[in-house]
Amino acid sequence: DAKTTQPPSMDCAEGRAANLPCNHSTISGNEYVYWYRQIHSQGPQYIIHGLKNNETNEMASLIITEDRKSSTLILPHATLRDTAVYYCIVRAVNQAGTALIFGKGTTLSVSS
Amino acid sequence: EAQVTQNPRYLITVTGKKLTVTCSQNMNHEYMSWYRQDPGLGLRQIYYSMNVEVTDKGDVPEGYKVSRKEKRNFPLILESPSPNQTSLYFCASSSGIMYTDTQYFGPGTRLTVL
Repeated sequence: DAKTTQPPSMDCAEGRAANLPCNHSTISGNEYVYWYRQIHSQGPQYIIHGLKNNETNEMASLIITEDRKSSTLILPHATLRDTAVYYCIVRAVNQAGTALIFGKGTTLSVSS
Repeated sequence: EAQVTQNPRYLITVTGKKLTVTCSQNMNHEYMSWYRQDPGLGLRQIYYSMNVEVTDKGDVPEGYKVSRKEKRNFPLILESPSPNQTSLYFCASSSGIMYTDTQYFGPGTRLTVL
């Protein structure tokens, strides 16, 4: 079973920031938070991951709370092409290479 | 360009007719795996491979075979396909290196078994 809880759906206006929350209250000290997304029927795409510090890359920012029990993925300027299902996954360091456990994710709809 | 490729992208076949879906990656990744995706069930792992000649069952291996003779290729074999194997299939690869273990997915193969 997925160790994360995400809202089933969210809406966002094009050009605005999309903030996608994820609860992972049982996360262990050696577990990272990963975010992937899947645009309709395409292969899932890696977005970002982090342990305890906030992270930023060219796609998004990841904010992890100090107690690490929740996190937020931020798409700073959402576009129509960001419409997708977003998955928050927790994963231990020693699980490298093994199966990703996808939950139900959050369906983000970006509209103009 | 770093990528995972799958072929064919679409396939319609009949029950019992053996088929192979190919998967290839150009990133020199150690780990490769196959997932299937079904409505309401999400992505589930079928088989995975940690290196050449090393394969192991995932969560739903029944009715499938795999092989890993070369590092870059990881074909999925359905010896006798059945309608319940109609699904969307994804191949994935990763370096398996701790702290940077991101998985790269192929574009998917939509299989219909009549």
